[in-house]
Amino acid sequence: NAGVTQTPKFRVLKTGQSMTLLCAQDMNHEYMYWYRQDPGMGLRLIHYSVGEGTTAKGEVPDGYNVSRLKKQNFLLGLESAAPSQTSVYFCASRQTGRGGELFFGEGSRLTVL
Amino acid sequence: GDSVTQMEGPVTLSEEAFLTINCTYTATGYPSLFWYVQYPGEGLQLLLKATKADDKGSNKGFEATYRKETTSFHLEKGSVQVSDSAVYFCALTPENTGNQFYFGTGTSLTVIP
Repeated sequence: NAGVTQTPKFRVLKTGQSMTLLCAQDMNHEYMYWYRQDPGMGLRLIHYSVGEGTTAKGEVPDGYNVSRLKKQNFLLGLESAAPSQTSVYFCASRQTGRGGELFFGEGSRLTVL
Repeated sequence: GDSVTQMEGPVTLSEEAFLTINCTYTATGYPSLFWYVQYPGEGLQLLLKATKADDKGSNKGFEATYRKETTSFHLEKGSVQVSDSAVYFCALTPENTGNQFYFGTGTSLTVIP
C-alpha cells in the first residue's frame, strides 16, 4: 500500500535552475498539499488543491508553481531556484469531510547552491 | 486567525519518565485536533486525533483530551521509551473550512536510557 509517494527524495540544484517535485497518492483523496519544513519554523503551507484542476496559494507560495492535472498527482515546480528554497518538502493528502487526517509522503530534501 | 501554539523544546527525559507536551489552539467553533509524530528522516504520521469536545484520542500509550474550556489538547504518556524520541506536532483543522490544516512548530523529544 504505497499511500503518498514523492519523487525525487534528494536533489541538489544550482541557483537559477528549475525542477519539478512529483507527488502521487493512491487513496483517491480530493485534497492535496505541499509543505516545506525548515529548522525552527515547523511546517509551512506552500500551495494546496481541493480537487483535480484546482490549486490555491498557501502561506509561502512565492517562487513556486503547482499543477493538479490528474486527481492522483500534485506537482510542485521551482522555475528559478534560490538558496532560500533549500528545505525539506512534504506532500500530503486527505479525504474530504470533517476530521479527516493528513497522510504525508516521506519528504524530498532539496539543496540549492 | 486560527493557530496552534505548542511548548518549545527540546525536551529530554529519562526512560520511563512521564511526558507532557502542551498544546493550545485558537479557532472558532469546534475544530478537529491532531497530534503528529515525525521520526528522524521520515515524514509525519498521525499519532492520535479528536474531533469533538471532551473526546480523548489515544495510541501507542499516548493520550490527549480535547478541552474546549481551556482550548487545549495536551499530549501525555505515562512512561516514555527510547523509541519515542521524535518531533511531535500539534495541529488543527477548522470546523467550517476543513481543507486547511494549521500546525504548531513542533517539539523535539529525546529519551535517554
